[in-house]
Amino acid sequence: AQSVTQPDIHITVSEGASLELRCNYSYGATPYLFWYVQSPGQGLQLLLKYFSGDTLVQGIKGFEAEFKRSQSSFNLRKPSVHWSDAAEYFCAVGPRGNRDDKIIFGKGTRLHILP
Amino acid sequence: DVKVTQSSRYLVKRTGEKVFLECVQDMDHENMFWYRQDPGLGLRLIYFSYDVKMKEKGDIPEGYSVSREKKERFSLILESASTNQTSMYLCASGSTSPFIDTQYFGPGTRLTVL
Repeated sequence: AQSVTQPDIHITVSEGASLELRCNYSYGATPYLFWYVQSPGQGLQLLLKYFSGDTLVQGIKGFEAEFKRSQSSFNLRKPSVHWSDAAEYFCAVGPRGNRDDKIIFGKGTRLHILP
Repeated sequence: DVKVTQSSRYLVKRTGEKVFLECVQDMDHENMFWYRQDPGLGLRLIYFSYDVKMKEKGDIPEGYSVSREKKERFSLILESASTNQTSMYLCASGSTSPFIDTQYFGPGTRLTVL
């Protein structure tokens, strides 16, 4: 079955520290991959996406993610977090070429920032 | 920029009431989606639509219906609201041309059913 796993429900890091949020997926073929961020009380905003090509993808707000086919992973990273990065982060996978399939979201990782 | 708007940010209704949640997008997207978001459960797809007057059930359609009379507007209807439908409701739109692409989300409606 298709699924997305974000193993960490909560993560706490100090401001200025580096960050890595994990995402693993189970899918029949290499899917499209997305990371979204949700600030408190807001909808989801796209951070970055991977469709093909370079497996290291740059996104907005200084985030990047690396697709590793052998590990079925698409981990999100940031070298130095800011207090404004406190939010919930969702990894998602989408099908290739079949418009009747749906994007599947992970359950999210809530990021807390210590001053 | 893509804009997805939802008719209300906060809504309080009583058990048994009929509730309408409206969503409008301005990017001529074919696809529109309704999700509900609950702590620990992430986003769960209620219904989606790939075209006007077309609808498909998502993972949790029970107790909900939808309407898409115009391409830009997708409405979620709670026929008889119940307390277990208290949740955050998120609308999204996206393109499938030529493949499933990014979804753009509205700000959400936090519905409380008393």
